[in-house]
Amino acid sequence: GAVVSQHPSWVICKSGTSVKIECRSLDFQATTMFWYRQFPKQSLMLMATSNEGSKATYEQGVEKDKFLINHASLTLSTLTVTSAHPEDSSFYICSATRVGYQPQHFGDGTRLSIL
Amino acid sequence: GIQVEQSPPDLILQEGANSTLRCNFSDSVNNLQWFHQNPWGQLINLFYIPSGTKQNGRLSATTVATERYSLLYISSSQTTDSGVYFCAVERGGGATNKLIFGTGTLLAVQP
Repeated sequence: GAVVSQHPSWVICKSGTSVKIECRSLDFQATTMFWYRQFPKQSLMLMATSNEGSKATYEQGVEKDKFLINHASLTLSTLTVTSAHPEDSSFYICSATRVGYQPQHFGDGTRLSIL
Repeated sequence: GIQVEQSPPDLILQEGANSTLRCNFSDSVNNLQWFHQNPWGQLINLFYIPSGTKQNGRLSATTVATERYSLLYISSSQTTDSGVYFCAVERGGGATNKLIFGTGTLLAVQP
């Protein structure tokens, strides 16, 4: 149990376009979802915390208008990279959890390449 | 904020060897997890271990919360153990479960 699906797994797009990444909890209701970014040979950095039905909480230094997060249901959160540029190229990973439950369950990640 | 440092940063082993990876954290934590990130980027949850010792096959982990460190033991290493190992800690109470990841240990197991 506790499966988190992330889609797409890999995307290449032109500079200036917007890209949407989906994170779904398949067999449990995720009250909280998290979005991380990982640059090559670096650790995972938390971008934002997303609670179902409320606005996301962004970490310091993360642009809210660049990275739009929506958590409209207990099984789906989306991250939209708006007007993407080459510096936004990275590996994005989501995780999901339920109130009072551990541990966090991670998706397989999305490799985003902006040309 | 809390600092999470892992050592060694890189490790090369011959197949069959044993190793110990360390995770130090700078403040008290509620929870700690160990992950293996495989070459495809997938994060595999190894242990959820806020304190004490757990074992799963060739892997075991020990967390000494009062001394702010955790150890991951890999015995009889195999080439499939290669990848990056991360520890991650959770601070604070409430329901946010926010994880802070360590710096990672890159492990290469050679045949």
